[in-house]
Amino acid sequence: GAVVSQHPSRVICKSGTSVKIECRSLDFQATTMFWYRQFPKQSLMLMATSNEGSKATYEQGVEKDKFLINHASLTLSTLTVTSAHPEDSSFYICSAAPGGGTQYFGPGTRLLVL
Amino acid sequence: KNQVEQSPQSLIILEGKNCTLQCNYTVSPFSNLRWYKQDTGRGPVSLTIMTFSENTKSNGRYTATLDADTKQSSLHITASQLSDSASYICVVSPYNAGNMLTFGGGTRLMVKP
Repeated sequence: GAVVSQHPSRVICKSGTSVKIECRSLDFQATTMFWYRQFPKQSLMLMATSNEGSKATYEQGVEKDKFLINHASLTLSTLTVTSAHPEDSSFYICSAAPGGGTQYFGPGTRLLVL
Repeated sequence: KNQVEQSPQSLIILEGKNCTLQCNYTVSPFSNLRWYKQDTGRGPVSLTIMTFSENTKSNGRYTATLDADTKQSSLHITASQLSDSASYICVVSPYNAGNMLTFGGGTRLMVKP
């Protein structure tokens, strides 16, 4: 149990375009979902916390207008990287929490902006 | 400021050997401490979870220890295999912080034949 999926697993896009990444909890309802970014050889850095039905809370230094988060249901959260630039290239990981404190991580999405 | 520091940053060992990874934390009090394994290009997968009152937890060839007095945890890998090559991340959940986590920088382990 407690499986989290992400789609796509890998995406390449042109600079200036927008990219949407989906995070789904497959076998549980997640009241809270988290989005992380991970650069090579570094640990995960929390970008934002999203609660179903309310606005996401962004960490300091993360632009909310650039990284749009929608947590429309208890099993789905989306991260949209708007007007992507090469410096946005990174590994994006989501996690989902069913309310008991434990976070279950997705497999990650590799974004490459050309 | 809550911090989690891991050592070494990277480690190379021969297949079949044992190794121990270290985690020092300042997070206090905390709800639980987890060790995760993250393969390259994949999300973290939980290996062990320990609460404040637990001293050791095993999961196959992985054994985690916790010393709450010295605020140290270790992950011992026995009889290493090539598939153990990955990053190992120590993560602490601060008490009363809800779902928030404090991540260590990870140890990159490479197991060579």
